Amino acid sequence: DAKTTQPPSMDCAEGRAANLPCNHSTISGNEYVYWYRQIHSQGPQYIIHGLKNNETNEMASLIITEDRKSSTLILPHATLRDTAVYYCIVRANTGGFKTIFGAGTRLFVKA
Amino acid sequence: DGGITQSPKYLFRKEGQNVTLSCEQNLNHDAMYWYRQDPGQGLRLIYYSQIVNDFQKGDIAEGYSVSREKKESFPLTVTSAQKNPTAFYLCASSIGTLNTEAFFGQGTRLTVV
Repeated sequence: DAKTTQPPSMDCAEGRAANLPCNHSTISGNEYVYWYRQIHSQGPQYIIHGLKNNETNEMASLIITEDRKSSTLILPHATLRDTAVYYCIVRANTGGFKTIFGAGTRLFVKA
Repeated sequence: DGGITQSPKYLFRKEGQNVTLSCEQNLNHDAMYWYRQDPGQGLRLIYYSQIVNDFQKGDIAEGYSVSREKKESFPLTVTSAQKNPTAFYLCASSIGTLNTEAFFGQGTRLTVV
């Protein structure tokens, strides 16, 4: 089973920040938090990942709590094209990408 | 352009027939993966390969087979032994087994009638 818990769906107004939470209370010390998103009927797209420090790239920011048991993906200015299913996964930094993806959070960005 | 290509995008087969899904990458990645996705569900790992001529079963390997004769290619065969083969199949690759993201193809939607 997936080691993360995410709300099944969320709404966000266009132009506002979208904050997607993820719980990973059983995360191990060598496991990273990864975020992907999947637009309908396409392959998942990598967004961002981190170990314990907050991370930011051109797509999003990742905030990881100090105890690493939860994280939040932030899309700073959501657009209609950000409507997708967002997956939070944890995986060790060895052993390849064998992680099971859970059901994710379906984000609806509304005009 | 570098990327990972799955073909075809849509595939229809009659029940009882084997079918092979193609996955090719020109990213020079060592590791490749196959996932299955059912409607409204997440992704489940079928098979993965960390290096040429080697592959391991994932969580739902029954009824599937793979080969990894070339670094660029990781075809998946859905056999007649797979009880419920209709699904969306996704192939992915990553540089290796260390901290790195995986890149996904656009998927093949298989319908068995």
